[in-house]
Amino acid sequence: ETGVTQSPTHLIKTRGQQVTLRCSSQSGHNTVSWYQQALGQGPQFIFQYYREEENGRGNFPPRFSGLQFPNYSSELNVNALELDDSALYLCASSLHSGKETQYFGPGTRLLVL
Amino acid sequence: GQNIDQPTEMTATEGAIVQINCTYQTSGFNGLFWYQQHAGEAPTFLSYNVLDGLEEKGRFSSFLSRSKGYSYLLLKELQMKDSASYLCAVRALSEGSNTGKLIFGQGTTLQVKP
Repeated sequence: ETGVTQSPTHLIKTRGQQVTLRCSSQSGHNTVSWYQQALGQGPQFIFQYYREEENGRGNFPPRFSGLQFPNYSSELNVNALELDDSALYLCASSLHSGKETQYFGPGTRLLVL
Repeated sequence: GQNIDQPTEMTATEGAIVQINCTYQTSGFNGLFWYQQHAGEAPTFLSYNVLDGLEEKGRFSSFLSRSKGYSYLLLKELQMKDSASYLCAVRALSEGSNTGKLIFGQGTTLQVKP
């Protein structure tokens, strides 16, 4: 148990819809990173939030957006869902600005039909 | 570019030793991590290397050679519960940024047989 929680655990959406995924970081951690993991692949970095600001972004289109709240919890929003967005979405929390070990939550499995 | 390679699958026998290799080419290297991931679950942190050499933690050891862009994870006294995917990840810092993003390999699926 890492103390990182995510909700929901599973989600089914249809193409074109919007989705919001949530993450609560481990107590004391101020940095949250989001990753997308397709089946059989390693996780891919989406973006990172530190002190409520986006602190780096991977190669994902603008329809992937996020927020971090004063309590360091975070949301990942995906608009105009596409079939290829079906994946396991992982959030990881860490101390400081992402230079420390990242601890992962259980993930949200999203299926887009 | 950023590239991390590790074998796709490996099989080993319970009680044996297995070594999972990882080679990488990245800019802004700031450490290498190994995570274990059981099917349908989140990655669990196993080890971290930032300097060359061997880090030992119980049945698991990890080695790093920065000049060769090479790491390995060594698992001793294999148990059936060690059957999982093992992810090699490099932490890369972007120039002028303190974003410590992890770049993952595709993972090595290890099957431990009786």
